[in-house]
Amino acid sequence: GENVEQHPSTLSVQEGDSAVIKCTYSDSASNYFPWYKQELGKGPQLIIDIRSNVGEKKDQRIAVTLNKTAKHFSLHITETQPEDSAVYFCAASITGNQFYFGTGTSLTVIP
Amino acid sequence: GAVVSQHPSRVICKSGTSVKIECRSLDFQATTMFWYRQFPKQSLMLMATSNEGSKATYEQGVEKDKFLINHASLTLSTLTVTSAHPEDSSFYICSAQTGTYEQYFGPGTRLTVT
Repeated sequence: GENVEQHPSTLSVQEGDSAVIKCTYSDSASNYFPWYKQELGKGPQLIIDIRSNVGEKKDQRIAVTLNKTAKHFSLHITETQPEDSAVYFCAASITGNQFYFGTGTSLTVIP
Repeated sequence: GAVVSQHPSRVICKSGTSVKIECRSLDFQATTMFWYRQFPKQSLMLMATSNEGSKATYEQGVEKDKFLINHASLTLSTLTVTSAHPEDSSFYICSAQTGTYEQYFGPGTRLTVT
């Protein structure tokens, strides 16, 4: 099955700085890569996603890049704010149904 | 946007008893729902895929007789943890699929087995 690795496990940045989280996947058949934000005691919320026919996607302060050859994708958050503090998960899917999640990154934005 | 609810949000039960968790899609119909469990500071692990009107498909290593899943309608799936033990204590999260590639997650249910 698909194996998704995520780094770093924890990340602290100063408010206003950028944060980058990286994921790799094992199955070249994966074609959908969503990113989720999870706040304490809550379910994950989709923040951005990318499909394999696109190399980059941006939504305001959030962007995702995908390198299919290297089988890795990254989340970029610019101008970070304290409310960005949460756990972020990447995921990969082959069929668009079953999602395989990374191990999560705990992001702390220091005011 | 699509809203998924779970009930209860927290439950404490005694070892050996069963507990039922409900997952509802509030503003859309979901032919497919998914159940995940998440241990503290760990990732979400897919347990099973729940299809309306048919038997659930369980991931390898998940006991289907222990984690009973029923998807009786297009807006409701239930997960029953039977004969619960302390090691079943976890955060259980469901998601509902609005279409291929589109899943919306519920807020989760914290199960504590004493």
